[in-house]
Amino acid sequence: DVKVTQSSRYLVKRTGEKVFLECVQDMDHENMFWYRQDPGLGLRLIYFSYDVKMKEKGDIPEGYSVSREKKERFSLILESASTNQTSMYLCASSLYLEGGETQYFGPGTRLLVL
Amino acid sequence: LAKTTQPISMDSYEGQEVNITCSHNNIATNDYITWYQQFPSQGPRFIIQGYKTKVTNEVASLFIPADRKSSTLSLPRVSLSDTAVYYCLVGEDTGGFKTIFGAGTRLFVKA
Repeated sequence: DVKVTQSSRYLVKRTGEKVFLECVQDMDHENMFWYRQDPGLGLRLIYFSYDVKMKEKGDIPEGYSVSREKKERFSLILESASTNQTSMYLCASSLYLEGGETQYFGPGTRLLVL
Repeated sequence: LAKTTQPISMDSYEGQEVNITCSHNNIATNDYITWYQQFPSQGPRFIIQGYKTKVTNEVASLFIPADRKSSTLSLPRVSLSDTAVYYCLVGEDTGGFKTIFGAGTRLFVKA
């Protein structure tokens, strides 16, 4: 079974803190993604990476950065956390085969910024 | 990227067949259609994927008409545990692509 793990299920931070969210996948997938999910808004893509050290902005990259130094690990960084970044953060990795891509999601990190 | 439109919510009863339709009028030739299921406090889980016609697996069926401007996820004989949010996605058949999750359809199955 594909396993995507995230460093924390719940996190509480203060405004202005630097926050690191870690994601690790164990299936040698090329693509990795970070989403945030807010009530009524579905999932919104923050960043994705299709190879080590490669990254592309998603729909809402402002206030976030990412790092992918190793294939299995994709980190999301909030340089200076703000209350509007309180959300559920979901990491995913994907396998691309003929016929399309399948994304595998981690359990999510619920971040509260006070 | 093609945008998708699906109902915000649906109600059903145990044992019924549920059909959730997704509109994607601007689907491109290389786009494929994927459905995910999400339970509360969990990440989405892949259900089914297709390009054309009909696809069936042990969980669901996916019907895609010839013009591909819509697709229908069919869940046979739902149970209470099928209560979840269902997302329809349309994505390009290329590497390094982005796929868009909409707000999804909240299915509530009643006893």
